[in-house]
Amino acid sequence: GIQVEQSPPDLILQEGANSTLRCNFSDSVNNLQWFHQNPWGQLINLFYIPSGTKQNGRLSATTVATERYSLLYISSSQTTDSGVYFCAVPNNAGNNRKLIWGLGTSLAVNP
Amino acid sequence: DTAVSQTPKYLVTQMGNDKSIKCEQNLGHDTMYWYKQDSKKFLKIMFSYNNKELIINETVPNRFSPKSPDKAHLNLHINSLELGDSAVYFCASSPGPFNTGELFFGEGSRLTVL
Repeated sequence: GIQVEQSPPDLILQEGANSTLRCNFSDSVNNLQWFHQNPWGQLINLFYIPSGTKQNGRLSATTVATERYSLLYISSSQTTDSGVYFCAVPNNAGNNRKLIWGLGTSLAVNP
Repeated sequence: DTAVSQTPKYLVTQMGNDKSIKCEQNLGHDTMYWYKQDSKKFLKIMFSYNNKELIINETVPNRFSPKSPDKAHLNLHINSLELGDSAVYFCASSPGPFNTGELFFGEGSRLTVL
């Protein structure tokens, strides 16, 4: 089945810094989602991005489906950006149709 | 105006007890899910219902029984709770089945089995 790898696994930033998180996937996909799990455990949908680039405030995401990766950019990071960032892609092979999740990037933004 | 809401948020109970978690979504989505997140933050799907019909049933002990009275509700009942059931359980919904469209999560229900 499809594999999803996220990098880096852990990241520490000083407030105000920029960062790029990466999600690689092993097979072609027709959509990809990025999520943020904040320190209180809430899972927030950030982007639904099958291809191209989307922006939402200080965050943007780019998916290059032909090269099987997606990037999440965080600019001018704030302490509230801390948490775990997950990407997920669908595995539509056969009857096993479910989202395949990466293990996440754990981000800590220090004041 | 909460999109996906689940109750209770916290459950502390003894081994062997039975407990239920309720979930409701007001997004008009057709598909709802239950996920389990363990202490290492790994998200594992348990069940998915599309318009009240079970479409995904992962290898989950049959002590776990989902029920969907209508497409806006998906409840999870757990019998004979075990220590290993301790986790955070997330309800989620999406517009269509098999991961078509964005996935939205509830706030999670943290279950602790003593």
